[in-house]
Amino acid sequence: SAVISQKPSRDICQRGTSLTIQCQVDSQVTMMFWYRQQPGQSLTLIATANQGSEATYESGFVIDKFPISRPNLTFSTLTVSNMSPEDSSIYLCSVDGLAGGPRSYNEQFFGPGTRLTVL
Amino acid sequence: DQQVKQNSPSLSVQEGRISILNCDYTNSMFDYFLWYKKYPAEGPTFLISISSIKDKNEDGRFTVFLNKSAKHLSLHIVPSQPGDSAVYFCAASDLYNFNKFYFGSGTKLNVKP
Repeated sequence: SAVISQKPSRDICQRGTSLTIQCQVDSQVTMMFWYRQQPGQSLTLIATANQGSEATYESGFVIDKFPISRPNLTFSTLTVSNMSPEDSSIYLCSVDGLAGGPRSYNEQFFGPGTRLTVL
Repeated sequence: DQQVKQNSPSLSVQEGRISILNCDYTNSMFDYFLWYKKYPAEGPTFLISISSIKDKNEDGRFTVFLNKSAKHLSLHIVPSQPGDSAVYFCAASDLYNFNKFYFGSGTKLNVKP
């Protein structure tokens, strides 16, 4: 399994500001993902962070609001831009267990999450 | 439109008894299902999975059952232990987007000593 760390673990931010969340993995992984868990809700995929290319965003999420970087195979950042109270959530990064190759059923490993509160 | 649903937000069970957590899905293209456990202030950790070619997968005290015709899966924990108290999420993916997981909203399990 992969060991995943996130920074910051939590933050309280003012409306209109931006926060960048970092995700670091202890080994090289092909796929990195960013999820959001709003209070009382399920985990929702925001985007897939692709190394060397732009992130792939899910319906309802756009690059201007959630810019993502993936400079190498062990690191990614998610920025929550121009925040509003509705952005208050736990943000989680996850990685695919596979280093590459054909699909073999596997799980994703999650970081500990970043709890964001927007006032 | 939530494709994976966990209709019980919470469940309370006595230590030593069986815990049964349920999950329903709507997308018939889902072919791989997972259960995750989440403690407060931690990320979800993988617990057990099942592919659609099976109807049961067992790992120690944890068993997942899949009923494809009913689009229903369940997680059985027996015997339940106080350390099992956590939020349990079910998740699903399909053959064409196997990296994309759809999660349920979670069931908070409380195992009473």
